Amino acid sequence: DARVTQTPRHKVTEMGQEVTMRCQPILGHNTVFWYRQTMMQGLELLAYFRNRAPLDDSGMPKDRFSAEMPDATLATLKIQPSEPRDSAVYFCASGLVETGWQPQHFGDGTRLSIL
Amino acid sequence: RKEVEQDPGPFNVPEGATVAFNCTYSNSASQSFFWYRQDCRKEPKLLMSVYSSGNEDGRFTAQLNRASQYISLLIRDSKLSDSATYLCVVNKGGSGGYQKVTFGTGTKLQVIP
Repeated sequence: DARVTQTPRHKVTEMGQEVTMRCQPILGHNTVFWYRQTMMQGLELLAYFRNRAPLDDSGMPKDRFSAEMPDATLATLKIQPSEPRDSAVYFCASGLVETGWQPQHFGDGTRLSIL
Repeated sequence: RKEVEQDPGPFNVPEGATVAFNCTYSNSASQSFFWYRQDCRKEPKLLMSVYSSGNEDGRFTAQLNRASQYISLLIRDSKLSDSATYLCVVNKGGSGGYQKVTFGTGTKLQVIP
């Protein structure tokens, strides 16, 4: 079965450091989503790309977060500088706009801890 | 008010019981609805879509009430393996166009032997 691949699976770093998370969507999927999940807020949509173009990043704090999709096989989410409140699980998901993006196929997530 | 709201639970039910969860949404323009399942420390996975007329998949039944703006998930004959968090998902917009996808925070189900 094709899967969304995320790296790293775990990341622990000190506040102020730059964090980069990577996602390889399922081949052929034209939409990529970035989510953040915490106990308090649940699953929040940060940004998504359609055919590599950013469609909506209104859920993302712009001052420190950035998302890019340099090619069809790689999406990145960067935090600079990181803060303890950024500690969460970050999921990438991919889907097809033709099916209304359902199902969304999620990666295993990156568990991020900022000390 | 959140766009999508769910009772976080946990719902603790014995094996074999029937359990139901509701999810309310605030935007009447919402067009499509889904239930996802998330196991502990795993990624969410699509469980089933929710159709206007209601739909069933084995022990699972999903229903939509547009007038009251909620969707429901009914699980009959609960199994231990049903223990998970159930996420409600609401899409605003149509297929092929700009859409906004909103996940609820989930309802935790624990099925007890």
